[in-house]
Order: sequence, then C-alpha cells, then structure tokens
Amino acid sequence: SAVISQKPSRDICQRGTSLTIQCQVDSQVTMMFWYRQQPGQSLTLIATANQGSEATYESGFVIDKFPISRPNLTFSTLTVSNMSPEDSSIYLCSVGTSHEKLFFGSGTQLSVL
Amino acid sequence: KQEVTQIPAALSVPEGENLVLNCSFTDSAIYNLQWFRQDPGKGLTSLLLIQSSQREQTSGRLNASLDKSSGRSTLYIAASQPGDSATYLCAVLGNGGGADGLTFGKGTHLIIQP
Repeated sequence: SAVISQKPSRDICQRGTSLTIQCQVDSQVTMMFWYRQQPGQSLTLIATANQGSEATYESGFVIDKFPISRPNLTFSTLTVSNMSPEDSSIYLCSVGTSHEKLFFGSGTQLSVL
Repeated sequence: KQEVTQIPAALSVPEGENLVLNCSFTDSAIYNLQWFRQDPGKGLTSLLLIQSSQREQTSGRLNASLDKSSGRSTLYIAASQPGDSATYLCAVLGNGGGADGLTFGKGTHLIIQP
C-alpha cells in the first residue's frame, strides 16, 4: 500500500485568493487523481494528474480554475484559484499502481469566507 | 453516466446489532466495486473490494456482496461496535478502467450507540 501525505490538512481562505494543495507519495505510482467532496455530497473526480503532461479534467472542471501539476511519479499539486464560498469542500488526492485499488490521502478541508 | 446511490443516508443503532448498508448503481458494466470507510478529518480507508466476477468478500466482521446484474451491493456489519461509527462509501470502477476514476455514492453515516 502507498503512504500519502496531503498538505495542508485544512485551511480557511479569503474569497478571491488561491490555495495550492500538495500530495506526496512514498513510492512511485502510475495514477494520481484529485477528488472534491462538497458538504453532504459524493466524492467527485476533478481530474487525472498525468506525469509530464497536462491533466485530464472531468466535465465541469477547467484548468484555469483547478490547475494541476505532476512533475514526477510521487508528487502532485492541485491549486484552487480565485476561490469563492462555493469552493468550500474537502479535496482528496488518490493514487494507485493498478486500476484495481486506489489509496486516498487524508484530505484538505477548505473553507472560503 | 454511472450513478451510485446509497441507502440509508444515516443510521443509528445500539451496539451489538447486525446491520446492512445498501448500494445500487445504474450501469452494470463495472470492473469492480469497493466499500470505503471515512472518518471525520481523515481520508478514505478501503474495506472490501469485489471484482465484477465475484459475488462476495469478507473481512472480519464485514461481508460485502455484489449482484452485478441487478446493480446492487450490500455491506453487512456483524456485532457492531462504537468504533464502527463512520461514514461508509460505496464506489464503482467502470470497465473503462482506472482512467475514469471511481464513481462514489453519497455515503451512509453510521452511528453505533454504546
């Protein structure tokens, strides 16, 4: 299993600012995903972080709002840009070495005032 | 588009009871189904993974079943304990493989009363 370190664990931000969330894995993984969990809702896939190339975004999510970097096989960042209160959610990093089983970070609880 | 529904949304039972959590999905063309546990302020912990060709998986007091043709899965928790209190999430992986990620239900918030 992979050990995932996600930072920050929580943050309170002002409207209009940006926050970058980091996901560090203790081993090389082929797949990295970013999810959002809005209050009372399911986890929703934001994008697949592709190493060395642009992320693949799901419908409803765009690069300008959620830029993602993945410089290598153990690290990725998700930035939530120009935040509004509607961006208040838990953001989760997920990794896997096969399609069968994914492991999740502890999440980032974001509150936007 | 795959949709996953979990019933009930919340459940509160006395310690020691056996209980069943339900999950249904709209597209039966799945690769596998997973049950996760989510504790407040923590990430997701995978409890059981059932491949599409399997009918059930067991781990300790947990048993998960899968009826792919009817689009249903259940998570059975035997002899519940206060430490089982958490949100339980059901997620399916489509036949497109990991490229699509997992599709999650909204979860069942479980409280086990001491």
